[in-house]
Amino acid sequence: AQSVSQHNHHVILSEAASLELGCNYSYGGTVNLFWYVQYPGQHLQLLLKYFSGDPLVKGIKGFEAEFIKSKFSFNLRKPSVQWSDTAEYFCAVTLFSGGYNKLIFGAGTRLAVHP
Amino acid sequence: DVKVTQSSRYLVKRTGEKVFLECVQDMDHENMFWYRQDPGLGLRLIYFSYDVKMKEKGDIPEGYSVSREKKERFSLILESASTNQTSMYLCASSASSKSYNEQFFGPGTRLTVL
Repeated sequence: AQSVSQHNHHVILSEAASLELGCNYSYGGTVNLFWYVQYPGQHLQLLLKYFSGDPLVKGIKGFEAEFIKSKFSFNLRKPSVQWSDTAEYFCAVTLFSGGYNKLIFGAGTRLAVHP
Repeated sequence: DVKVTQSSRYLVKRTGEKVFLECVQDMDHENMFWYRQDPGLGLRLIYFSYDVKMKEKGDIPEGYSVSREKKERFSLILESASTNQTSMYLCASSASSKSYNEQFFGPGTRLTVL
């Protein structure tokens, strides 16, 4: 079965530290890849997405992610985190099944950034 | 502005009760989804609907049913609530499932079953 793995469940960083959150998926076909973010008390919202083209995609708030097809990975990065980046981050992959697109989510990574 | 609303932010019910969770979107989206979110498990798809009166099972439909009588409204029903259904429930909508369109999420309903 198709799955999405996020390597870290909890990450704690100090402000200005660099961030990399790992995401691997198990699906051999064409994929669309996403990172969603859920700030405390807020809706889940899209951070960035990859459909095709340049494998390095840029999202909101200085985040970027790189699609490496050979490694089935889509890691999220930010060079310098801020306290306001404290949130839960979810990697997701579309699965085209039965004529419909569905999203498969990873387990999530809780990021805490200390001032 | 895109908006998905859910009827309750917090809900407490007793085992065996019938529970209705309501979701409304104002974007004229074709597709609507119900997920449950549990720590360490991420979001798991319960049911989705691609049109009025149409529904499809997701990955964990057992113990749940859904209703979509109007395009803007998608209801999740727990016929007989059990303690293992204590969770955060998220509703989402998107424009079409034939090609991928971004899903927009509601604020969630935190359900506790005692």
